[in-house]
Amino acid sequence: GAVVSQHPSRVICKSGTSVKIECRSLDFQATTMFWYRQFPKKSLMLMATSNEGSKATYEQGVEKDKFLINHASLTLSTLTVTSAHPEDSSFYICSALGTGGEKLFFGSGTQLSVL
Amino acid sequence: GENVEQHPSTLSVQEGDSAVIKCTYSDSASNYFPWYKQELGKRPQLIIDIRSNVGEKKDQRIAVTLNKTAKHFSLHITETQPEDSAVYFCAVGDTGNQFYFGTGTSLTVIP
Repeated sequence: GAVVSQHPSRVICKSGTSVKIECRSLDFQATTMFWYRQFPKKSLMLMATSNEGSKATYEQGVEKDKFLINHASLTLSTLTVTSAHPEDSSFYICSALGTGGEKLFFGSGTQLSVL
Repeated sequence: GENVEQHPSTLSVQEGDSAVIKCTYSDSASNYFPWYKQELGKRPQLIIDIRSNVGEKKDQRIAVTLNKTAKHFSLHITETQPEDSAVYFCAVGDTGNQFYFGTGTSLTVIP
């Protein structure tokens, strides 16, 4: 099946720094990728929908200037958490729509800890 | 947008018993209903899915049923094993390729 690679798997950073998370579709082209935030034992909260070559669509309540999304190619989307603060600590997961545009394939997630 | 409700939030069963998780949705135009299993700290994995033109689908010990009229679908796991312990999410896909997730069910299978 389709593989989505996400890096890094874990990052610890100081408050005020920026962190970039990469999401790559390895064996297929993904015109649409999604970014989620997940708290322990909670559901996936959709943050934004990323479409290749266009601006991301953010969900209500998600600050687009804080969570910068770039989908510059058909195989790569990045999420940058700018000026991270402890409240941004969370598990972030990306997913991509597979060929045919129906099934979702998830990255392995990034555990962000902001000190 | 779609409103997806999932019940129960936690479920404990004895090994060998069956487990059932239910989801309801609001948009009758939704047409794709996947179920994901997520182990702690790992990515959600698709375990089974069903499309709106099918009422039931089975894959070994896992089955999904869909009632389009009532707008609900269920995951059935038979002969549960300890390795089935995880969080399960239902999702609803609409015609615009947007996905809406349920709140998750933490399943514990007691040996």
